[in-house]
Amino acid sequence: DIQMTQSPSSVSAAVGDRVTIICRASQDISSWLAWYQQKPGKAPKLLIYAASSLQSGVPSRFSGSGSGTDFTLTISSLQPEDFATYYCQQANSFPRTFGGGTKVEIK
Amino acid sequence: QLQLQESGPGLVKPSETLSLTCTVSGGSISSSSYYWGWIRQPPGKGLEWIGSISYSGSTYYNPSLKSRVTISVDTSKNQFSLKLTSVTAADTAVYYCARQGAGGRSFDYWGQGTLVTVSS
Repeated sequence: DIQMTQSPSSVSAAVGDRVTIICRASQDISSWLAWYQQKPGKAPKLLIYAASSLQSGVPSRFSGSGSGTDFTLTISSLQPEDFATYYCQQANSFPRTFGGGTKVEIK
Repeated sequence: QLQLQESGPGLVKPSETLSLTCTVSGGSISSSSYYWGWIRQPPGKGLEWIGSISYSGSTYYNPSLKSRVTISVDTSKNQFSLKLTSVTAADTAVYYCARQGAGGRSFDYWGQGTLVTVSS
């Protein structure tokens, strides 16, 4: 199985800050990576697929980059509705696996 | 707008079988290219992929659960189902159904989730 490691596990940030979350795969997954946002009590929401493609309806302040084993999710200017937990997921091979999550908290 | 809705018992006894159904509306479950999957999340923890079924009926399971999991599709009802046998307290989680795009890559539409508790 491909292991997905996210860092940091939590980050405190203020509205307007730039936030970067890192996801590392245990082996090469090309660009087959997705990012999700999850708010308490809600289902995850797809933000980014294929490492850098923005899902329809997702604000442009969200961006993804990377390939191979190292990936990043960037929120360019944090908004109040962005406080949530973010997960990466490799889509290169079965079994599909998720990172442990990064909680973005209010500073 | 595609919508998915999980249904099934919220309480299952240890050693019994957990059975959930996902009803898809606003689109056909038979559409080519798409996969349909189950993901779970224990309380306060992260996401775990359980398994998926493709538009052609091929199934893919998490090896950690493979011996206990079955996913099937009922195209006449536009539903797909999950069965997990011999459950224990470790199977207590919110269970989500979701659609996956081409190749079963990312999960683009999700159900709201249903909490299943394993307890006697």
